[in-house]
Amino acid sequence: GEDVEQSLFLSVREGDSSVINCTYTDSSSTYLYWYKQEPGAGLQLLTYIFSNMDMKQDQRLTVLLNKKDKHLSLRIADTQTGDSAIYFCAESIDSSASKIIFGSGTRLSIRP
Amino acid sequence: NAGVMQNPRHLVRRRGQEARLRCSPMKGHSHVYWYRQLPEEGLKFMVYLQKENIIDESGMPKERFSAEFPKEGPSILRIQQVVRGDSAAYFCASSPQTSGTSYEQYFGPGTRLTVT
Repeated sequence: GEDVEQSLFLSVREGDSSVINCTYTDSSSTYLYWYKQEPGAGLQLLTYIFSNMDMKQDQRLTVLLNKKDKHLSLRIADTQTGDSAIYFCAESIDSSASKIIFGSGTRLSIRP
Repeated sequence: NAGVMQNPRHLVRRRGQEARLRCSPMKGHSHVYWYRQLPEEGLKFMVYLQKENIIDESGMPKERFSAEFPKEGPSILRIQQVVRGDSAAYFCASSPQTSGTSYEQYFGPGTRLTVT
């Protein structure tokens, strides 16, 4: 079946690294995504990774994919107050990536 | 280049009324997707449309819900005879048609529907 799971909350100190984890069940995933949602706003695509990659880095963001364990993580280096948001892990399971399955989101809060 | 636009941003309807939610995709995008987000939950896929065609409606409730994406104008998500359980944020996303893949979906700000 199609299921994406992630922990609900994460609290980190400003300046530290945040690591948000996600597991998925469908081994036929084609793309895996991280979206950011700020309060009252829509979703912003942060980054995505193709399923045949194991790592992608983009400035402060590092995505790691362990396809064997169906585990995806997002690391945010030097976390800032502006990073406070809900982060959604998501996967697409068809070759055209037309249908995206979302996790329930991890609420990241930053403490001083 | 304007992003995905949705209106209204907030919509209040009484039980039994109809709700119409509009989505204008990004310029040059021909694929539109609708998602529903219940409070404290992730987004759930509802329907995927291309111009004048419904491609995948596997996430749409069988009754009261319909969607269209006409040749001209925005995509419309229509909910007839709304009930309290329809209260949610409805997000639209669009993507370009690029070699048959559409792996980047760009989301609008959402319409928050409240049914009283």
